[in-house]
Formats: sequence, C-alpha cells, structure tokens
Amino acid sequence: DGGITQSPKYLFRKEGQNVTLSCEQNLNHDAMYWYRQDPGQGLRLIYYSQIVNDFQKGDIAEGYSVSREKKESFPLTVTSAQKNPTAFYLCASSIGLSGWAQETQYFGPGTRLLVL
Amino acid sequence: AQSVTQPDIHITVSEGASLELRCNYSYGATPYLFWYVQSPGQGLQLLLKYFSGDTLVQGIKGFEAEFKRSQSSFNLRKPSVHWSDAAEYFCAVGAGYSSASKIIFGSGTRLSIRP
Repeated sequence: DGGITQSPKYLFRKEGQNVTLSCEQNLNHDAMYWYRQDPGQGLRLIYYSQIVNDFQKGDIAEGYSVSREKKESFPLTVTSAQKNPTAFYLCASSIGLSGWAQETQYFGPGTRLLVL
Repeated sequence: AQSVTQPDIHITVSEGASLELRCNYSYGATPYLFWYVQSPGQGLQLLLKYFSGDTLVQGIKGFEAEFKRSQSSFNLRKPSVHWSDAAEYFCAVGAGYSSASKIIFGSGTRLSIRP
C-alpha cells in the first residue's frame, strides 16, 4: 500500500540535544511538508520541499532544519535552538505541481516529541 | 493574505443527529477550500475539497460542504452522525501559485458523540 511513514512514534529529547524525525513516502510525490501541531492551534508549516535538493522555510522554521536528498525522504531535525519543541509533528506529501496550494495533502501518522 | 476561522472549539452531538461545523475564511479571490479529519494521535485525512463549480461538494464518509461566497463560509455537514465520526476536524484555505502558494489550517473543531 502506498503511504507515508513517520518514525519514531514517540521521541524524547534531552536539553541541548538535536533529534531527527524520519518521514518516508512511496506515493511518488514530488512535494513534501513538515507541520507542527500544538493543542488548539491547528497546523503550522515548518518547511516544505517541491523537488529533490530544494526546500523552503515555512512560517515557523527557526530551530529546525531539513534535507531532501531523495524524492521519498524528507527528514526533520529539531535543533537545540528550538526552545519549545514539545509538539506533535506531521509530515505530508502531495503530487507537487507548481500550484501546490490546491493539492490534496497526504499525511503520515505523526511523531510526538517530548522534552526530558 | 488568507486566514481561516473555526469558531467552535468543541461540539457534542447525539448519535444519529445532524451535524454542521463552521468555517469562515478571508481571502480576496476564491480560495481552494478543504476539510480534513484527524482521529486521536493520527495524521489528517481529506474529507472533501472545493476549487470551483458546484458550490455543494460531496466527500467521503457521508460528509458534504457548501461554499457560500457571500458569507465567506465553507461549512461541513452530515445528516446523521455515527460514533466513529468522533474526531477533530480542520478547515484549510489554499491560495496562490508556485512559490507564492500558501495553505492555512484552522485551529480545529473537536467533535464528540453522545451515545
């Protein structure tokens, strides 16, 4: 079955530590996204990528970094500069035509990041 | 810039009752409108979307939504809810093209079902 996988389901971060969240898709989509979800706040875009080796900052990119070396993979690193990382992180993908705002996004099951 | 408002944080309805979840948007032109559903601890799944044409849109799981330009609304409806509909529902507004693309999600409405 085609879909998006995220790992791990839960992740614990110690202060000063960088952690990396995995996102893999086998939908052959060009565009991939990372969102942060906090209670009562909906989804906020962290980074997005429309093509391999290219990505753009979203609304809340500070303290995060990404890479897009392969079409199917879009890992997110939460750096020590992110002072409030506790949240639910969602990865998504879409076909990736130039008008991506009109595309259906397909979401992974999410990773919950907690700070020790 | 576009924005989206879901005025109801939490709604409880009885099983078998009808449902309407409200969504209001702000955008200068006709935006792309979406409703997504999220079960607890899971990702989001698309229920339906509107781009143009018929203002009444049918989606999965028996949901429908109506685009009303005069009211800047895109409310989600279901004639008879089932216990399995308990979830969080997000309205989203997309606009722009290419590097100017932007999608904004509402803050969500949590739906509880009373047996």
